[in-house]
Amino acid sequence: NAGVMQNPRHLVRRRGQEARLRCSPMKGHSHVYWYRQLPEEGLKFMVYLQKENIIDESGMPKERFSAEFPKEGPSILRIQQVVRGDSAAYFCASSPAGVTNEKLFFGSGTQLSVL
Amino acid sequence: SQQGEEDPQALSIQEGENATMNCSYKTSINNLQWYRQNSGRGLVHLILIRSNEREKHSGRLRVTLDTSKKSSSLLITASQAADTASYFCATDAGSGGGADGLTFGKGTHLIIQP
Repeated sequence: NAGVMQNPRHLVRRRGQEARLRCSPMKGHSHVYWYRQLPEEGLKFMVYLQKENIIDESGMPKERFSAEFPKEGPSILRIQQVVRGDSAAYFCASSPAGVTNEKLFFGSGTQLSVL
Repeated sequence: SQQGEEDPQALSIQEGENATMNCSYKTSINNLQWYRQNSGRGLVHLILIRSNEREKHSGRLRVTLDTSKKSSSLLITASQAADTASYFCATDAGSGGGADGLTFGKGTHLIIQP
């Protein structure tokens, strides 16, 4: 049973370009969470999605960031017009239901570097 | 602001000793979870303790929860070199408690000296 798969593992972008991060949840999981981690910091919640729906995006910056979890295919975190401050590790996690009394399964993350 | 705050920020002990990490949080919770992160990797779930539980064990791990003090501790007994990692507590505040995801602290970086 494959775990949470994230790709790419490393992504380098120049300022102003777009970054697309992909996450395939564990089989049977319909809940996906995206987190951002800066060096020596904990994970900061960004967005929580279920299939085709954004449930909570309170941690997402209002501009340039968007997320989707289509009926078919992986969840996508999209960052438009990247800036150096977007450089971070982005982690995706999934669960079969919401986090109340459920643990999260994490992917290995995408390290985004903005030049 | 961070819901969970781990203490200490860093801890270095000799192999075989016990390691204790603490976590404090601010709001009421449904459950509290501990995760481990090895350098450059994703987080791995260690243990979940519900708000109506006071203590839980899993192998060499022991977690306590004191909801009156809004604090939890993680004890790793008989530490091994492979335990070197960052350890995070995370809280689920449930609906109305903020973000619908888990809220993580900044972590305790544990180093086990051989």
